[in-house]
Amino acid sequence: DVKVTQSSRYLVKRTGEKVFLECVQDMDHENMFWYRQDPGLGLRLIYFSYDVKMKEKGDIPEGYSVSREKKERFSLILESASTNQTSMYLCASSFPRLGTEAFFGQGTRLTVV
Amino acid sequence: TQLLEQSPQFLSIQEGENLTVYCNSSSVFSSLQWYRQEPGEGPVLLVTVVTGGEVKKLKRLTFQFGDARKDSSLHITAAQTGDTGLYLCAGDDRDDKIIFGKGTRLHILP
Repeated sequence: DVKVTQSSRYLVKRTGEKVFLECVQDMDHENMFWYRQDPGLGLRLIYFSYDVKMKEKGDIPEGYSVSREKKERFSLILESASTNQTSMYLCASSFPRLGTEAFFGQGTRLTVV
Repeated sequence: TQLLEQSPQFLSIQEGENLTVYCNSSSVFSSLQWYRQEPGEGPVLLVTVVTGGEVKKLKRLTFQFGDARKDSSLHITAAQTGDTGLYLCAGDDRDDKIIFGKGTRLHILP
């Protein structure tokens, strides 16, 4: 069974903390994505990686960075968490063909207090 | 930036009724996908449409891709309470990123 696994379902962090969200996929996908999902705003792309050590900014990269040292792992980093980064974070992976399916993790609900 | 607009944003109907939700863009997409998301879970793919004018059926769900490949619709026949969820359309942009519409939140009343 194919799988995208996010390290935590729920996280509570304090303002100013450095936060790491981890995502691992077992499908040998080249592409990996980080989205955040907020009510009324849908899924917004934060960062995208199409290969190891390669990354591209999405629509809302400010306040975030990413790391892809291995093909199966894509990490999202909040350098200094702020309350406006409270959200549901979704990781996805796919093959690099147009129209290919994106497989999602179960999501991490992050609360910054 | 290519945008996908979904309508309606919310829809609440009685079980047994039919419904259609829409996904529109001013841009041409090489393909569009429909996902369904349940609370607390990630989206799961329902279908991918690739050819302009294409129609795909998945049991009571019918998906259509517009001739110009700028829009798509999802029609549900005889809705059931199990159809309740968030329906998202998505497309590949020119840079291989997958972008999403804001979704239609569907609630089927028993």
